[in-house]
Amino acid sequence: EAGVAQSPRYKIIEKRQSVAFWCNPISGHATLYWYQQILGQGPKLLIQFQNNGVVDDSQLPKDRFSAERLKGVDSTLKIQPAKLEDSAVYLCASSLEGAPFTEAFFGQGTRLTVV
Amino acid sequence: AQSVTQPDIHITVSEGASLELRCNYSYGATPYLFWYVQSPGQGLQLLLKYFSGDTLVQGIKGFEAEFKRSQSSFNLRKPSVHWSDAAEYFCAVGPIQGAQKLVFGQGTRLTINP
Repeated sequence: EAGVAQSPRYKIIEKRQSVAFWCNPISGHATLYWYQQILGQGPKLLIQFQNNGVVDDSQLPKDRFSAERLKGVDSTLKIQPAKLEDSAVYLCASSLEGAPFTEAFFGQGTRLTVV
Repeated sequence: AQSVTQPDIHITVSEGASLELRCNYSYGATPYLFWYVQSPGQGLQLLLKYFSGDTLVQGIKGFEAEFKRSQSSFNLRKPSVHWSDAAEYFCAVGPIQGAQKLVFGQGTRLTINP
């Protein structure tokens, strides 16, 4: 079974530029998550999708971050404009629909460096 | 508010020695508790979880954890570590405000001495 795929693995941009990350979840997984992991910290949930609808985006900085999940499969996370403090690893995860807490499977992440 | 504390940022143990990683949580009800492992350059992998029932849970790779409600703890243990166990370990708690969402601790980095 293929895992959660993310691209790119690494990205370096200058502040005020824009950047986009892509995630392809495990086939059949209805729930998709984007987490931000700043160096030395645990992952923090940015947004959660159930199929193509947003379940939770309470910690997404909506003035600069946006995410979409077209057709309930792939997802993109965009930052525009980027700030220095956005430097982090962005992790995508997916899980089967169901409660409570079916296991979430994580991708390898995209390491973003903003200079 | 729900929170997770991992008091040890970095732990070093010798190969073959026993291991205990500490996790304390703050939660208003009975929590669901998790331990994840993250190897360098990799995503998080679930080691084990506690939902209810037996307070000693077994996980993958020879790990176990014990839920102690009176101490608000969920410590991870392994009787004999291997060099391949070197990684970052995260404790997490949920659900958060009824949602299938986790709050993670800051992690404990484990180094194994040969």
